[in-house]
Amino acid sequence: DAKTTQPPSMDCAEGRAANLPCNHSTISGNEYVYWYRQIHSQGPQYIIHGLKNNETNEMASLIITEDRKSSTLILPHATLRDTAVYYCIVRAGIVNYGGSQGNLIFGKGTKLSVKP
Amino acid sequence: GAVVSQHPSWVICKSGTSVKIECRSLDFQATTMFWYRQFPKQSLMLMATSNEGSKATYEQGVEKDKFLINHASLTLSTLTVTSAHPEDSSFYICSAPLQGSKTQYFGPGTRLLVL
Repeated sequence: DAKTTQPPSMDCAEGRAANLPCNHSTISGNEYVYWYRQIHSQGPQYIIHGLKNNETNEMASLIITEDRKSSTLILPHATLRDTAVYYCIVRAGIVNYGGSQGNLIFGKGTKLSVKP
Repeated sequence: GAVVSQHPSWVICKSGTSVKIECRSLDFQATTMFWYRQFPKQSLMLMATSNEGSKATYEQGVEKDKFLINHASLTLSTLTVTSAHPEDSSFYICSAPLQGSKTQYFGPGTRLLVL
């Protein structure tokens, strides 16, 4: 799986947009970009994923560069509850999860602190 | 989104005892589930892959005889930590992929403290 690089930490003011970058320069053609977050002492929460096109859902937007070597997760109006560690993971979008092929490999992520 | 539950949410046990942790997919079936472990201030590390109807596959360095996995049904996988020791104290998290969605959903985690 392609490796990702994220800044270890970021701060964001409450109510402002949080833009979390991720570099994945070795991504291959069949690999998706996934974003998860982990609030302290909880299991990871799925946020969004994408292949080539930008994606948006009720939680966030995902902007993927044209060469797919980097992406940005955007939380449009960050709240204090968005304080968490955000993980960018690159993985083939396997539909049938046989054996260990479907597991996600977590890096260190970005610790986002939303401040009042 | 899909819901995955874990039970118990936390457990304290004496050294040498065994602890069973359950992982359930509440509104979907999962032929595969994953078990992760997370030590303080570290990221999640995959321990094993639980397969319904067949043996689990373990990651390198994870003792299969110590961490027993049983995938009894399409909605339930259990992880039993046998003869637990203080170094097994950790946050154990399971996940289940929702087939057709390319997405995995995680349980809330089980915090184990071995005294």
